[in-house]
Amino acid sequence: AQSVTQLDSQVPVFEEAPVELRCNYSSSVSVYLFWYVQYPNQGLQLLLKYLSGSTLVKGINGFEAEFNKSQTSFHLRKPSVHISDTAEYFCAVLKYGNKLVFGAGTILRVKS
Amino acid sequence: DTGVSQNPRHKITKRGQNVTFRCDPISEHNRLYWYRQTLGQGPEFLTYFQNEAQLEKSRLLSDRFSAERPKGSFSTLEIQRTEQGDSAMYLCASSDSGTGPMNTEAFFGQGTRLTVV
Repeated sequence: AQSVTQLDSQVPVFEEAPVELRCNYSSSVSVYLFWYVQYPNQGLQLLLKYLSGSTLVKGINGFEAEFNKSQTSFHLRKPSVHISDTAEYFCAVLKYGNKLVFGAGTILRVKS
Repeated sequence: DTGVSQNPRHKITKRGQNVTFRCDPISEHNRLYWYRQTLGQGPEFLTYFQNEAQLEKSRLLSDRFSAERPKGSFSTLEIQRTEQGDSAMYLCASSDSGTGPMNTEAFFGQGTRLTVV
């Protein structure tokens, strides 16, 4: 079975500081991993995805993530956050049938 | 392309009433998904369609829930005899059905927030 664990429910950080949102997955087969962002009362927007190839994946809004097979992790990073990055972030793994299995989410709070 | 559209955005209903939500996917997408998101949780898969065929239903989808996609375009999700536990955000997503994971990006609508009082 595939599942996703997001290790932090909330991450407070000051504006212009770096941030890392942690995600671990469990899967016995090839994995396809995603990070989505959700702003208040909005749907989900894809930030980036790992399907194959380079383990460092760059996404929108300056975010990047690194796929680490040995540690079964797919952590999301940004070198310098903005107030506008305040949102909830979801890590997800693709399951057979193109269904997404999501983690519980991490709320990123950027403070000025 | 206006993206995935969901209506209504908000619905407040009394316990025991029936409600119906609509999703209009991106026009060229033939896969359509429904997810449910409760407070503090990530979205959970409910069901998905390829064209008009409903290919999978989660065990979360009780007998009170029914989804249709009659012409392979828009979809409706109906909840009969609503309960307070049905209060959640209902998200619709669509994607292409190209082979392999390369066409797996799911585009989400803004959701319908249901409150059962």
